[in-house]
Amino acid sequence: NAGVTQTPKFQVLKTGQSMTLQCAQDMNHEYMSWYRQDPGMGLRLIHYSVGAGITDQGEVPNGYNVSRSTTEDFPLRLLSAAPSQTSVYFCASSYSGGYNQPQHFGDGTRLSIL
Amino acid sequence: QKEVEQDPGPLSVPEGAIVSLNCTYSNSAFQYFMWYRQYSRKGPELLMYTYSSGNKEDGRFTAQVDKSSKYISLFIRDSQPSDSATYLCAISSYNTDKLIFGTGTRLQVFP
Repeated sequence: NAGVTQTPKFQVLKTGQSMTLQCAQDMNHEYMSWYRQDPGMGLRLIHYSVGAGITDQGEVPNGYNVSRSTTEDFPLRLLSAAPSQTSVYFCASSYSGGYNQPQHFGDGTRLSIL
Repeated sequence: QKEVEQDPGPLSVPEGAIVSLNCTYSNSAFQYFMWYRQYSRKGPELLMYTYSSGNKEDGRFTAQVDKSSKYISLFIRDSQPSDSATYLCAISSYNTDKLIFGTGTRLQVFP
């Protein structure tokens, strides 16, 4: 049982480039979400999904897109990378019931935008 | 005012000490309270989960919620070097679509 798997673990991009951060879970969780973690800011919600085909914006959605075509996968797309998007990105999933349920996190993608 | 406030530390204690980690929150509607532990270069992992007020104990860890003061605590007894990590509190309510995290407190337990 792998839990939540994120790829890649590290990435360096140039300003203006686009890329997709991958997230997959094998726990059949309905709820999935993306957070970014910055020093002194804690974890901030970017986008979330309550099930396949359904996504919504979190606290800091600008510059990011998501889609949820299957229960297992929830990729995060950076449309045109900016230095302000340098961060550590975490994907999380939880059982049905919404965001009052414990989250299972992946080990993160460390992204640097030059 | 932030919805949840947490002292960032760092907190450095000797092995065997009792550690107290705390968060305050602003909205009395919050009912779900969690503590996550995050080791360096790893994702957060759930440590304790409580609903509403009261205490919950799990081994060396005790989570305490005081809704009247809007204050939550995590106590670690007989702290070990392996407890060295960042501890994040997280809160939510039944009518919200998100979990709100504190900024985390970095704890170091030295032998």
